[in-house]
Amino acid sequence: EVQLLESGGGLVQPGGSLRLSCAGTGFTFSNYAMNWVRQAPGKGLEWVSGISAGGDIYYAESVKGRYTISRDNSKNMLYLQMNGLRAEDMARYYCVRKDPNSAWDYWGQGTLVTVSS
Amino acid sequence: QSVLTQPPSASGTPGQRVTISCSGNSSNIGNNDVKWFQQLPGKAPKLLIYSNYQRPSGVPGRFSGSKSGTSASLAISGLQSEDEADYYCAAWDGSLNGHVFGSGTKVTVL
Repeated sequence: EVQLLESGGGLVQPGGSLRLSCAGTGFTFSNYAMNWVRQAPGKGLEWVSGISAGGDIYYAESVKGRYTISRDNSKNMLYLQMNGLRAEDMARYYCVRKDPNSAWDYWGQGTLVTVSS
Repeated sequence: QSVLTQPPSASGTPGQRVTISCSGNSSNIGNNDVKWFQQLPGKAPKLLIYSNYQRPSGVPGRFSGSKSGTSASLAISGLQSEDEADYYCAAWDGSLNGHVFGSGTKVTVL
């Protein structure tokens, strides 16, 4: 059974940093592109970043230069290093698998990031 | 403000057909595939449609997707109470070099 489990969320002050992790199980992690999608409280979905199976990386303009996505295929892990956090970055962050047909077929339950002083 | 435009709400009685539109431009919907997601209250989003009209296994046949030009639509036929949720469209945007979502449509079953 495919599972994605995010961790690393929490309370951080404006300007601070957090590292989110996503553990993928039940599939050959290295074969799949992965994405981070976030949802601010009461708001819609926003794509944050993606990394292909081959390591190509993409970012939303809103996080470019502050966030870094990476993956460790030996550990079946996806990461999101978030620096310079702002109030508008406060959201639930979801880890999402993308299959070869570009279907975002599996989502984790998300990890909540709260940015507040 | 979302790149893809969806109506904020839609509604219908049980058994009715409800259609949700998603409008974009040539950088996104016009030249890339559309996905649709359902988000039940308090839950993670779930893939309903990919590649404009393809349904993953397990998604009921009453959900269907279509695309024409720079717009896409999600139709729910035979509306059921459990279909009350938020629905989002998404596509790759070649100008932004990233994925974009619609603002979401809240479907209410009357």
